[in-house]
Amino acid sequence: DQQVKQNSPSLSVQEGRISILNCDYTNSMFDYFLWYKKYPAEGPTFLISISSIKDKNEDGRFTVFLNKSAKHLSLHIVPSQPGDSAVYFCAASAGGQNFVFGPGTRLSVLP
Amino acid sequence: NAGVTQTPKFRILKIGQSMTLQCAQDMNHNYMYWYRQDPGMGLKLIYYSVGAGITDKGEVPNGYNVSRSTTEDFPLRLELAAPSQTSVYFCASSGGAATVNGYTFGSGTRLTVV
Repeated sequence: DQQVKQNSPSLSVQEGRISILNCDYTNSMFDYFLWYKKYPAEGPTFLISISSIKDKNEDGRFTVFLNKSAKHLSLHIVPSQPGDSAVYFCAASAGGQNFVFGPGTRLSVLP
Repeated sequence: NAGVTQTPKFRILKIGQSMTLQCAQDMNHNYMYWYRQDPGMGLKLIYYSVGAGITDKGEVPNGYNVSRSTTEDFPLRLELAAPSQTSVYFCASSGGAATVNGYTFGSGTRLTVV
């Protein structure tokens, strides 16, 4: 039973437009959330985090939104660039250092 | 600054063979992790360690063993390789602020068991 779901296996977006990647979770005890980006043949790299006391966190072109009541978070990338093409993983933790990962969404940014 | 180093990058094993996947970090991180990633799936935690001499099971520990004799090294041992262990293995580390800064991952070991 997947506790962290990313229901869109892939997403294509035009360069310069907004990319929205979604993540849903089932465990109401999760209170820390991370997004990672992964290029082929490399390990995941950390992008941005959010805790349950916030509903939004921004870092440059990346913004994460958290809706606790819906158990849903999303990553917005504005504007999207071809270098953003990668697999994006959502991960969640119930306060500890161990995170549960979603299956990932492959983003393709088209020039 | 090398970060997290995994060796080997690729390996093909025959059923029943054993091997050790090496992981080393140079950031003086206390927390270290082993994950596996199967096609179309998220990363699943195999084992983790909160410091030298301390290890614990994750979600999918069967068929694996670990040790943590130093802060820097966290090897993963496969004793009797099975086709179900064909996967990409990632080692990661954290200084204890993973909830804010996430983990630092190695580049992975792609293992095929035939």
